[in-house]
Formats: sequence, structure tokens, C-alpha cells
Amino acid sequence: NAGVTQTPKFRVLKTGQSMTLLCAQDMNHEYMYWYRQDPGMGLRLIHYSVGEGTTAKGEVPDGYNVSRLKKQNFLLGLESAAPSQTSVYFCASSPDRAGYTFGSGTRLTVV
Amino acid sequence: GQQLNQSPQSMFIQEGEDVSMNCTSSSIFNTWLWYKQDPGEGPVLLIALYKAGELTSNGRLTAQFGITRKDSFLNISASIPSDVGIYFCAGRDISGTYKYIFGTGTRLKVLA
Repeated sequence: NAGVTQTPKFRVLKTGQSMTLLCAQDMNHEYMYWYRQDPGMGLRLIHYSVGEGTTAKGEVPDGYNVSRLKKQNFLLGLESAAPSQTSVYFCASSPDRAGYTFGSGTRLTVV
Repeated sequence: GQQLNQSPQSMFIQEGEDVSMNCTSSSIFNTWLWYKQDPGEGPVLLIALYKAGELTSNGRLTAQFGITRKDSFLNISASIPSDVGIYFCAGRDISGTYKYIFGTGTRLKVLA
């Protein structure tokens, strides 16, 4: 089925470790986004991309980096994980005007 | 940053009851979206609204784009147990950006 696929679904990291979250979409959408979801905070935009080879900062970008080398993939990296980055991470994609299609999320715990 | 005020934060209702929730913004929006999130899943789009006054239904769900363009409403009629979840509004302002701002969600629990 067409959609947004996120890997991994769960991950536990030690403080200071690094990791990359992968998002893949097969809908040929130009725009892709990374959000984090924390209790009582709703969804907050980390980084986004308006097309292959482009990235931009969102509302809470510190501690994260992203890359969009291929149109269908959007990678989110944590260079040195901190407990404050414990969260559920959602990737989404969209054509211009329409709403987002979300992935099923990655639950990350930093200990 | 810009935020949406979504209310209520949570609600418990009896099966069969109607549900109403709303979102308000300090700025004018040109698009409103309503999403539902089931436990362990990503949000799924329910209804999209593109102009002031628009009223759109999706089964038992009805959403409206407020006349002032600063608010939106979602109603669920005759609630059933599978309506349980978190409902999010999202809006895009008139600046032309393709980014949406999300509300903090309304957690709905339906008592059978």
C-alpha cells in the first residue's frame, strides 16, 4: 500500500550515542517533514524539506540534522542523543495544498 | 512560536452521545485540517477545509471552517467505542507557507 514508512519503530539509545531515523514515501510527494510528539505538546516540527536536496529548520531543530538526497527519502539524525530527545518521532509527506500523510512513528528512548 | 488552542483537552462521553471540539488561532488561516490518532499509530486525515464557512462531512464527522478564519469545529454524532483516540486540528496561515501548525489534541474516551 502507498504511504509513508518509518524505520525503526522502536529504539533505545544511551546518552551521547548517535542514530539515524529513516522515512520513505512512495507517493512522489515533494514535501517531507519530521515532527516530534510529546505529552501535552502536540506535534512540533523539527525539520522539513520542500524537495530533493533541500532542507530547512522547523520549530525545534536543535540537536537534529536531516538530509534529503533522494526525493522519496528523508533522514533524521541525532548526533549525540540526550534524554530530552526521548519522544515519538513522526515523518509526514505532502503535495502542496493537501494535508499530510503520516508514518506510524518511531518511539525513541534515550537513557 | 505560533500555536493553536484546542479544546477540550480531554473528554469522556457515553456511547451514542454527540461530541464537539474546536480550535482557535490568533492569526487567519486559509486551510484547516482535522486528524485522528489511534494509539501507537500516526495521525490520519479526517477532513480538510479550504474556505471560510465551509462545512464538510465524513460519515458521522462534520467539520466547519469558521467565518472569522481563526477557528474550526469538529462534531462527531452518535459516538461509538472506536471513536476513541486523539483528535488534532491543524492549520495553515495566509502567508502561503506549506507548513501546518498543530493543536495539542483532544483525547476522546467513549464509555460503552
